[in-house]
Amino acid sequence: EIVLTQSPDTLSLSPGDRANISCRASQSAGSYLTWYQQKPGQAPRLLIYDASNRASGIPARFSGSGSGTDFSLSIGSLEPEDFAVYYCQQRSSWPPVLTFGQGTRLEIK
Amino acid sequence: QVQLVESGGDVVQPGRSLRLSCAASGFNFNKYFMHWVRQAPGKGLEWVALISHDTSHIYFADSVEGRFTVSRDNSKNSLFLQMNSLRTEDTGVYYCARQYVAGYSLDLWGQGTMVTV
Repeated sequence: EIVLTQSPDTLSLSPGDRANISCRASQSAGSYLTWYQQKPGQAPRLLIYDASNRASGIPARFSGSGSGTDFSLSIGSLEPEDFAVYYCQQRSSWPPVLTFGQGTRLEIK
Repeated sequence: QVQLVESGGDVVQPGRSLRLSCAASGFNFNKYFMHWVRQAPGKGLEWVALISHDTSHIYFADSVEGRFTVSRDNSKNSLFLQMNSLRTEDTGVYYCARQYVAGYSLDLWGQGTMVTV
């Protein structure tokens, strides 16, 4: 089973700053890495799939990169609505179970 | 409207059972793999179960294997999670989610239903 480790656990930034969140996998799963955003009291929302593809309706300031075991989510010029918790997720090849990272809280500095 | 709506969450005693439902609408439910994901209070996301579009593939997290079962009724656009022998650590919000048809991401989530054990 793949273990995903996100860093940092908490990121304190100001609106207009750029955010970078890392996700490291314990074993390679190609480019099948997904990023979600979750705001308090809400369900997660799909941001990025297959490491670098933005989901429908996601602003261009969100971008993903990486492959193999090292991935990152970047948010350029933070907007007030971007402060939330971000999770990475991957799928093991067999059995095809899903694994989530522990989450990164992006908070206003 | 494309959406998933969970129901069935409740407060139950340890050892008891509970059945969650997820009603899908606005899309061809019978073409999608579906998942259950849970979130303990103040904690991160934990994957629980997967069921393929035709029920031929079903998988569970180790933490619920043997206690939970998952099923679906494609004629009623519904997904179910039967939870038996509930433990205090099963407490949390349970989400149903749709797997993206061309990959392994979860592209549509319900609002969640709360289970307290």
